[in-house]
Amino acid sequence: DTGVSQDPRHKITKRGQNVTFRCDPISEHNRLYWYRQTLGQGPEFLTYFQNEAQLEKSRLLSDRFSAERPKGSFSTLEIQRTEQGDSAMYLCASGPRQKRSGMDYTFGSGTRLTVV
Amino acid sequence: DAKTTQPNSMESNEEEPVHLPCNHSTISGTDYIHWYRQLPSQGPEYVIHGLTSNVNNRMASLAIAEDRKSSTLILHRATLRDAAVYYCILRPYNYGQNFVFGPGTRLSVLP
Repeated sequence: DTGVSQDPRHKITKRGQNVTFRCDPISEHNRLYWYRQTLGQGPEFLTYFQNEAQLEKSRLLSDRFSAERPKGSFSTLEIQRTEQGDSAMYLCASGPRQKRSGMDYTFGSGTRLTVV
Repeated sequence: DAKTTQPNSMESNEEEPVHLPCNHSTISGTDYIHWYRQLPSQGPEYVIHGLTSNVNNRMASLAIAEDRKSSTLILHRATLRDAAVYYCILRPYNYGQNFVFGPGTRLSVLP
């Protein structure tokens, strides 16, 4: 499988706990994006990496959220002190190095977080 | 970010064509029109994109108005597997920009 992999697919956690999600992009893709999606809404941009550099962060990414991509390959998204409002689907997408205007995004299937 | 407006939902019968509209009156000259769709419990997947000319691929066709202020995604023969949320997105030519998703159009396909 050469798609974008996300782990875990589902996570249930108690309020106040920390959670970490992992994204493995397509191997030759140097760009990686995190999005959050709540029920009935389109995905909302959180942050963007080019290789290991985090180039853009949305204001949605509060100080409880941190994302890393230490070697420019896989990425992790950590949420500290989870709140019920963090319950959502967290999507990862990757894009290739070459400049293409078309199908340059491949999304994973997401991690569904439920905070109880 | 340039905005798009789409109907919240549409219905189609199986094996009939579906025309999904999108208005983008504030589109700029360098904005590409992208369509993605999201099947239940999946991440969005690419459908088609275009700049000025109509486009066809194995999944769909994209018809772009001459003034580029609207576009239509055409599924030539809807199948039950086409039931999904369809997003029309404008993306600047600056390649690294992220996508700005709206709520999209939820397409139901009736057998």
